[in-house]
Amino acid sequence: NAGVTQTPKFQVLKTGQSMTLQCAQDMNHNSMYWYRQDPGMGLRLIYYSASEGTTDKGEVPNGYNVSRLNKREFSLRLESAAPSQTSVYFCASSGTRTGLGQPQHFGDGTRLSIL
Amino acid sequence: SQKIEQNSEALNIQEGKTATLTCNYTNYSPAYLQWYRQDPGRGPVFLLLIRENEKEKRKERLKVTFDTTLKQSLFHITASQPADSATYLCALPTSFSSNTGKLIFGQGTTLQVKP
Repeated sequence: NAGVTQTPKFQVLKTGQSMTLQCAQDMNHNSMYWYRQDPGMGLRLIYYSASEGTTDKGEVPNGYNVSRLNKREFSLRLESAAPSQTSVYFCASSGTRTGLGQPQHFGDGTRLSIL
Repeated sequence: SQKIEQNSEALNIQEGKTATLTCNYTNYSPAYLQWYRQDPGRGPVFLLLIRENEKEKRKERLKVTFDTTLKQSLFHITASQPADSATYLCALPTSFSSNTGKLIFGQGTTLQVKP
């Protein structure tokens, strides 16, 4: 089973460039999430989507936009990359719209460097 | 807002011993608490969930306790093996009444099991 697939795995950008991080899950999950993970900061939620067609801001949404293209896919866009956005980005999905403690399933991340 | 504290110092133990990791939270007692494992270069992987009305949960060599009076969860690995070496994260729902599935993660504690 593929689970949660993220592309690309690595990317280097220059300040001001834009790019889209892709995420797809094959577990028929309703909820999907984007996190960033920085040393000493842990995982921080950027955006999440409770179901197809809905998105909501997380803890650190500034500088990012998201699209829930369909039930499988949830993309994260950096419109004008800044060095502060250098991080490892993780996408996750979970099984129920209303939580109840359903575990989150993570992809293996995109390592993004902004020069 | 809820904050999670995990020991940022690495825990080094000898193979065969029991590893005990701590997760403290500062605000409301959550409806549940989750533990994840993260290996270098990989996304977190769900291990266990414990609900507020459960004192203890076990899965093979893993045991989790949840003390709402102390606002603390302990994660134990018995008969530890070098393959258990990883970073362990605890996670809680983002609000007392959260039913969105959104989680707040601790920074994680790195466990190193020496042969």
